[in-house]
Amino acid sequence: AQSVAQPEDQVNVAEGNPLTVKCTYSVSGNPYLFWYVQYPNRGLQFLLKYITGDNLVKGSYGFEAEFNKSQTSFHLKKPSALVSDSALYFCAVSPPGNTGKLIFGQGTTLQVKP
Amino acid sequence: KAGVTQTPRYLIKTRGQQVTLSCSPISGHRSVSWYQQTPGQGLQFLFEYFSETQRNKGNFPGRFSGRQFSNSRSEMNVSTLELGDSALYLCASTPAPESYEQYFGPGTRLTVT
Repeated sequence: AQSVAQPEDQVNVAEGNPLTVKCTYSVSGNPYLFWYVQYPNRGLQFLLKYITGDNLVKGSYGFEAEFNKSQTSFHLKKPSALVSDSALYFCAVSPPGNTGKLIFGQGTTLQVKP
Repeated sequence: KAGVTQTPRYLIKTRGQQVTLSCSPISGHRSVSWYQQTPGQGLQFLFEYFSETQRNKGNFPGRFSGRQFSNSRSEMNVSTLELGDSALYLCASTPAPESYEQYFGPGTRLTVT
């Protein structure tokens, strides 16, 4: 079965420190991979994607993600966390040939403390 | 460009009733996908429409249906509402036909009592 796993329900980090939010996937073929962020009572906001090419992709607000095919992972990273980064983060995968469908992980709450 | 808009933003219905939710995609986007978000099940794909045709469907009962109009606006309908249908319903659009990033609306919060 196709799935996405975010092993941490919550990640706590101090402002100014680097952060990592983990994601692994189980999808056959070469999937497209995405990260989204959700603020309270808001829809999902696109952060970045991996389609093909360089394994390190850069996105909005200083976020980046590293694709690792052998480990089927797509971890989200940021060198220096801000309090305003506190939100709910979702990893998602679009299976090959599965039009318009995103499979989401359960989400990870990021808490950045001053 | 204006973002994805969804109406209404909040809705309260009674069990057994039916409801229709509306979604207007970003101008020029022709594909619309719908998702249900609940605390227990997370984000789940409902269906996707492109050029007024349903191209993909998730694992939801037939009470959940949708359609897309020639201007790419989409509606989803839930008949015979159950308490478990209470959720945030999110609509997303993408230029298509490729499944690249989707742009989400703010959602419709449906409460079934």
